[in-house]
Amino acid sequence: AQSVAQPEDQVNVAEGNPLTVKCTYSVSGNPYLFWYVQYPNRGLQFLLKYITGDNLVKGSYGFEAEFNKSQTSFHLKKPSALVSDSALYFCAVRRNTGFQKLVFGTGTRLLVSP
Amino acid sequence: EPEVTQTPSHQVTQMGQEVILRCVPISNHLYFYWYRQILGQKVEFLVSFYNNEISEKSEIFDDQFSVERPDGSNFTLKIRSTKLEDSAMYFCASRGGLDETQYFGPGTRLLVL
Repeated sequence: AQSVAQPEDQVNVAEGNPLTVKCTYSVSGNPYLFWYVQYPNRGLQFLLKYITGDNLVKGSYGFEAEFNKSQTSFHLKKPSALVSDSALYFCAVRRNTGFQKLVFGTGTRLLVSP
Repeated sequence: EPEVTQTPSHQVTQMGQEVILRCVPISNHLYFYWYRQILGQKVEFLVSFYNNEISEKSEIFDDQFSVERPDGSNFTLKIRSTKLEDSAMYFCASRGGLDETQYFGPGTRLLVL
């Protein structure tokens, strides 16, 4: 069975500082990994994904994530946080074959203070 | 930029009533999904739909739930007899043939009283 762990319910960071939102996963076979962001009263917006290739993937709004197979992690990062980055972030995984459903983590609330 | 749309944005219903949640996926997408998020909990998969049939469903998706793509553009989720525990945000998503990304709509917040 697939699973995702986001160990931090909330991450606090000051504007301009680097941010990291952690995600670890469990899946049989090779994973497809995704990050989504949810702003209040909005749907899930796609940020970035890892399918294959370079372990460092770049996405929207300056976010990036690094796939680490040995640590089964896919942490989300940004070099310099903005107040407008404050939102709920979800990591998701699916297998690279067969069933296509996404399995989500519980989400991490990012609060960027001015 | 194309996006998934959902109607209504909010729906309040009485327990035992039928509800239909509507979604318009991105044009030319082939794979369609429903997920739900109970308040304060994680997003959970309900069902996937491809080539006019269900390709996978979760244990949540029991006989009270059904999906349909009635006209080639809309994708609906029907709950025949709603329960209190069906109260949640329901998200529709769609995916193209080659892109592995699922694009989500803004959600329908369902409240069952």
